[in-house]
Amino acid sequence: TQLLEQSPQFLSIQEGENLTVYCNSSSVFSSLQWYRQEPGEGPVLLVTVVTGGEVKKLKRLTFQFGDARKDSSLHITAAQPGDTGLYLCAGLIAGNNRKLIWGLGTSLAVNP
Amino acid sequence: GAVVSQHPSWVICKSGTSVKIECRSLDFQATTMFWYRQFPKQSLMLMATSNEGSKATYEQGVEKDKFLINHASLTLSTLTVTSAHPEDSSFYICRVGSGGEAFFGQGTRLTVV
Repeated sequence: TQLLEQSPQFLSIQEGENLTVYCNSSSVFSSLQWYRQEPGEGPVLLVTVVTGGEVKKLKRLTFQFGDARKDSSLHITAAQPGDTGLYLCAGLIAGNNRKLIWGLGTSLAVNP
Repeated sequence: GAVVSQHPSWVICKSGTSVKIECRSLDFQATTMFWYRQFPKQSLMLMATSNEGSKATYEQGVEKDKFLINHASLTLSTLTVTSAHPEDSSFYICRVGSGGEAFFGQGTRLTVV
């Protein structure tokens, strides 16, 4: 059973389009992180959200944490080829902060 | 955030040989480090938790005798893939930091021929 469902798994879009990646769970998370990974490199932390309903923006990226802290989304506006990569969500389940739970990842390709 | 250095970034070895991968925390004393395995375009799979000065904790299905972990200091953990076989070819990544944030090494691409 996957504790953190991430969708879509693969996404190929044209430059300039918008997209949203979702991470959903039946568990409550004390915090949730989004990472971006390029081929041959380790994941790089983009943002951490900790408060239900929280919205954070990082240039063209908007991150939202659900009110109940069970889900999160990443929205990219006007995607660019440089956004291509693997996006991963990961969270700490409330009451069990020792183990990071990972989504399966979203492989994004932005075509020029 | 913490700076994590992983070495080597890539290695090719012959089947049956052993390969050691190092993970160094350059500016953070890490009592715990994590080792992951990753297949192309897929998420990270936790292999084991490396504990400074004690035995590593392995995830279910990971052979502890095949993937030897040593965490002798607060800044260094090593993963040794023993008697490597082609099916061990993968991307191995270490991680430092627990709680709310994680910092990763650059990863090691292992190819067993």
